[in-house]
Amino acid sequence: EAGVAQSPRYKIIEKRQSVAFWCNPISGHATLYWYQQILGQGPKLLIQFQNNGVVDDSQLPKDRFSAERLKGVDSTLKIQPAKLEDSAVYLCASSPGTSGDGELFFGEGSRLTVL
Amino acid sequence: QQQVKQSPQSLIVQKGGISIINCAYENTAFDYFPWYQQFPGKGPALLIAIRPDVSEKKEGRFTISFNKSAKQFSLHIMDSQPGDSATYFCAASTPWGGYQKVTFGTGTKLQVIP
Repeated sequence: EAGVAQSPRYKIIEKRQSVAFWCNPISGHATLYWYQQILGQGPKLLIQFQNNGVVDDSQLPKDRFSAERLKGVDSTLKIQPAKLEDSAVYLCASSPGTSGDGELFFGEGSRLTVL
Repeated sequence: QQQVKQSPQSLIVQKGGISIINCAYENTAFDYFPWYQQFPGKGPALLIAIRPDVSEKKEGRFTISFNKSAKQFSLHIMDSQPGDSATYFCAASTPWGGYQKVTFGTGTKLQVIP
């Protein structure tokens, strides 16, 4: 079974530029998550999708971050304009359903450096 | 109330020793407590998990101890090996609006020295 795929793995941009990250979850997984992991910290949930609907985006900085999940499968996370404090690893995760044991399957992450 | 507090931040253990990582929570609605293991450059992966209706769960060298009254849970790694060197995150999950909401601790960087 293929895991969660993310790209790009690394991205370096100047502040005020824009960047987009892509995620392809495990086939059949209904729930998709984007987490931000700043160096030395635990993952922080940015947005959670159930199929193609948003169920939690309470911690997403909506003035600069946006995310969509087209057709309930792939997802993109965009940052525009980027700030220095956005330097982090952006982790995509998926899980099979809406409830249950809560196990998340993570991708390897996209590391963003903002200069 | 959604926080999960984790300690220590870092831990150095001799090969063969016991590694112990502790977590505490406040929200009594949490109903699933997983531990994730993360190697450098990789995403976190589920290691072991427990529900609050049991006090202990063991899988190989890894054991979760759960104290519901104290709202604390811990990960014990017996016979620690250099290959266990990684960052460990506790987490807690709660039903929320018909879905599961997962909150992570701040992580413990474990180094097992030969």
